Amino acid sequence: NAGVMQNPRHLVRRRGQEARLRCSPMKGHSHVYWYRQLPEEGLKFMVYLQKENIIDESGMPKERFSAEFPKEGPSILRIQQVVRGDSAAYFCASSPDVRDIENWFFGSGTQLSVL
Amino acid sequence: SQELEQSPQSLIVQEGKNLTINCTSSKTLYGLYWYKQKYGEGLIFLMMLQKGGEEKSHEKITAKLDEKKQQSSLHITASQPSHAGIYLCGADIGGGTSYGKLTFGQGTILTVHP
Repeated sequence: NAGVMQNPRHLVRRRGQEARLRCSPMKGHSHVYWYRQLPEEGLKFMVYLQKENIIDESGMPKERFSAEFPKEGPSILRIQQVVRGDSAAYFCASSPDVRDIENWFFGSGTQLSVL
Repeated sequence: SQELEQSPQSLIVQEGKNLTINCTSSKTLYGLYWYKQKYGEGLIFLMMLQKGGEEKSHEKITAKLDEKKQQSSLHITASQPSHAGIYLCGADIGGGTSYGKLTFGQGTILTVHP
């Protein structure tokens, strides 16, 4: 059973381009969470999704950021018109049940660098 | 300011020494989770604490949650180079209803010299 897979591991974009980050949850996991780790800061919650539904997006910037978790395929975090301040490590986690935090599994992250 | 404060921010110890990392909140912690992160990798779950006064141990790592449920400590006995990494505390400070939304401390970077 493969772990949570994130790709790409490293993504370089120029200002104004779009960034698409993918997260494939563990088999049998229908809950996905995205977190962002900025330099010198801790992990910050962005969004919590279940299959085809956004449950809580209170941590997402209002503009340029969107997330989806379709019925088939990975969860996607999309950042439009990236700016330098978007440079960070983006982690996703998945779980079979949102309350069972002991069974959350984190991916290795995508390091986004905006030039 | 951080809702969860970790101290120290970094720690360098000699192999075999004991060490403690603290995690403090001004709010009640409804669940406190300790994770370890290696550079460039994801988080590995270590331990969960929920009850005031609770203490858990796994191998040489012990975590405690104080009676007021506002402070936790992670203690490593006889540290080894394999303990090196970034230790993060995460907590549900939303009253147990903030599903999916953990608040994390800024992390403690641990270096263990052989």
